Amino acid sequence: EAAVTQSPRNKVAVTGGKVTLSCNQTNNHNNMYWYRQDTGHGLRLIHYSYGAGSTEKGDIPDGYKASRPSQENFSLILELATPSQTSVYFCASGGRGREDTQYFGPGTRLLVL
Amino acid sequence: GEKVEQHESTLSVREGDSAVINCTYTDTASSYFPWYKQEAGKSLHFVIDIRSNVDRKQSQRLIVLLDKKAKRFSLHITATQPEDSAIYFCAATNSAGNKLTFGIGTRVLVRP
Repeated sequence: EAAVTQSPRNKVAVTGGKVTLSCNQTNNHNNMYWYRQDTGHGLRLIHYSYGAGSTEKGDIPDGYKASRPSQENFSLILELATPSQTSVYFCASGGRGREDTQYFGPGTRLLVL
Repeated sequence: GEKVEQHESTLSVREGDSAVINCTYTDTASSYFPWYKQEAGKSLHFVIDIRSNVDRKQSQRLIVLLDKKAKRFSLHITATQPEDSAIYFCAATNSAGNKLTFGIGTRVLVRP
């Protein structure tokens, strides 16, 4: 199974601070995704990428930026963190095709005070 | 955009019985429907999927049914065991096939 790792696993940030969440995958997948999970909403897509240098907006991109500097790494950046961004964030990677399975990382629990 | 509704928020079944989770979607062009399992405090783990060219798929004790006319798909967990207790998420691709939309999850509890 695909190996997707995330760091940090837990993060406490202050309102207005900058937060960077990192994701690494070692299976040479082209596609990578960032989701947030909140009770009552399931998983919602924030940003995704088709490969190094590409980022695309998902369904809830406001307040977030993404960076894909290499095939293996995909970062999610909160330039000015707000309490509403307190959530659990999951990174996932998938293959080249439309219907390739997505494999999820362990998640990052973010608390913005 | 695509909307996926997961109809059961919680499901309690006796060990050995079947559990059925139903989902509906809105985008007629959706063609890929995966299911994920999330155990308490853990990440999502892929369990089974179905593509629009078939209407039934089975993997061990898991069966997925797809009714394209009704835009409905379901997960059947047969002969349930305590380790099946988890939250299950259904999902569907959008018409472009580049994004998954998830349901809000169904918490399944298997009682001894």
